[in-house]
Amino acid sequence: GEQVEQRPPHLSVREGDSAVITCTYTDPNSYYFFWYKQEPGASLQLLMKVFSSTEINEGQGFTVLLNKKDKRLSLNLTAAHPGDSAAYFCAVSLTSNTNKVVFGTGTRLQVLP
Amino acid sequence: NAGVIQTPRHKVTGKGQEATLWCEPISGHSAVFWYRQTIVQGLEFLTYFRNQAPIDDSGMPKERFSAQMPNQSHSTLKIQSTQPQDSAVYLCASSSGQKEVFFGKGTRLTVV
Repeated sequence: GEQVEQRPPHLSVREGDSAVITCTYTDPNSYYFFWYKQEPGASLQLLMKVFSSTEINEGQGFTVLLNKKDKRLSLNLTAAHPGDSAAYFCAVSLTSNTNKVVFGTGTRLQVLP
Repeated sequence: NAGVIQTPRHKVTGKGQEATLWCEPISGHSAVFWYRQTIVQGLEFLTYFRNQAPIDDSGMPKERFSAQMPNQSHSTLKIQSTQPQDSAVYLCASSSGQKEVFFGKGTRLTVV
């Protein structure tokens, strides 16, 4: 089955720096990709949903890149601020209507002032 | 929309006791998932239901863990003879089939 590897497990950056989190997946049929953010003590909140037809997706203060050839998904937080400190999870789902979503193991990001 | 509701939020059980965790998915969502989250293992898939039918329980420990979805408005995760290694946050989530998964706030289970 699908396996998703996420790196790094921990990341510490200074305020204003960029932070990059990367996931690699194994199933070439994967079509739906997600990034979730989990603040301390809270549940997971959807940050962005992307489909395999779009390689670059921009949100507020971050960019998601999808490289289907290398089966790699990345989240790039530009100019990180302390409010970005949280755990981030990538997630991958197949094209079939199984609804099953496989998550990466997470990255704990700390943004220092 | 109250979101996915999980009860209780915290549960402490003694080793060997049974624990039952409850989840109320978002109304109208056809898929319900259970995940377990720990610092060491991260977010582990346990099982999921679609239209109340069990679809994939490949993540469930074969002994002591069971999940049910008796109706479309709730699902339960039962852990028999709880062990300290079962201590974790158990997350329930639901999806409408549009692939986005909405999570509840979780139940923190502590086995002492």
